[in-house]
Amino acid sequence: AQSVTQPDIHITVSEGASLELRCNYSYGATPYLFWYVQSPGQGLQLLLKYFSGDTLVQGIKGFEAEFKRSQSSFNLRKPSVHWSDAAEYFCAALKTSYDKVIFGPGTSLSVIP
Amino acid sequence: DSGVTQTPKHLITATGQRVTLRCSPRSGDLSVYWYQQSLDQGLQFLIQYYNGEERAKGNILERFSAQQFPDLHSELNLSSLELGDSALYFCASSLYLTGSTGELFFGEGSRLTVL
Repeated sequence: AQSVTQPDIHITVSEGASLELRCNYSYGATPYLFWYVQSPGQGLQLLLKYFSGDTLVQGIKGFEAEFKRSQSSFNLRKPSVHWSDAAEYFCAALKTSYDKVIFGPGTSLSVIP
Repeated sequence: DSGVTQTPKHLITATGQRVTLRCSPRSGDLSVYWYQQSLDQGLQFLIQYYNGEERAKGNILERFSAQQFPDLHSELNLSSLELGDSALYFCASSLYLTGSTGELFFGEGSRLTVL
């Protein structure tokens, strides 16, 4: 069955430290991949997406993600975390143009001043 | 502001009751999606409409139904409510079927509490 997993339920980092959030997918073929962020009391917002081509994708708010086919992973990174980055992060996948977007369980990020 | 409007933002009701959640998509978007977010189930896809027609169904209970109207707004109807239906219900929209861009624009959600 198609699935998206995020191994880390909750992560705490210090402000200014680097961040990596993990995401793994299980699909028959490489799906389209996304990272969304949900700030407290808000809906989800797209950070970045991967369709094909360059495996390192740049997104908004200084985030980037790297697609690794061999590991079925699409990890999100940021070199220096800001307190405003505290939020819930969702990895998501879409198999075809007519399929539904499947979201991972989310990783909650806390930032220590 | 994503441009997707959901009402009401908060709703408290009793078991056995029926409620209607409303969603207005971004101007020009043809697809509407409903998701349920709860602590134990995460973000679950319920149903998708495209230009008034149902296009995909997920884990939507038979007690739940939805429709998309000619003006493209959508309503999610939840009936015979149970305690376990308490959740945050999100509406999202996109211009086309998601494959063209993959981006969904989410509303701020309707928080339903069933007592």
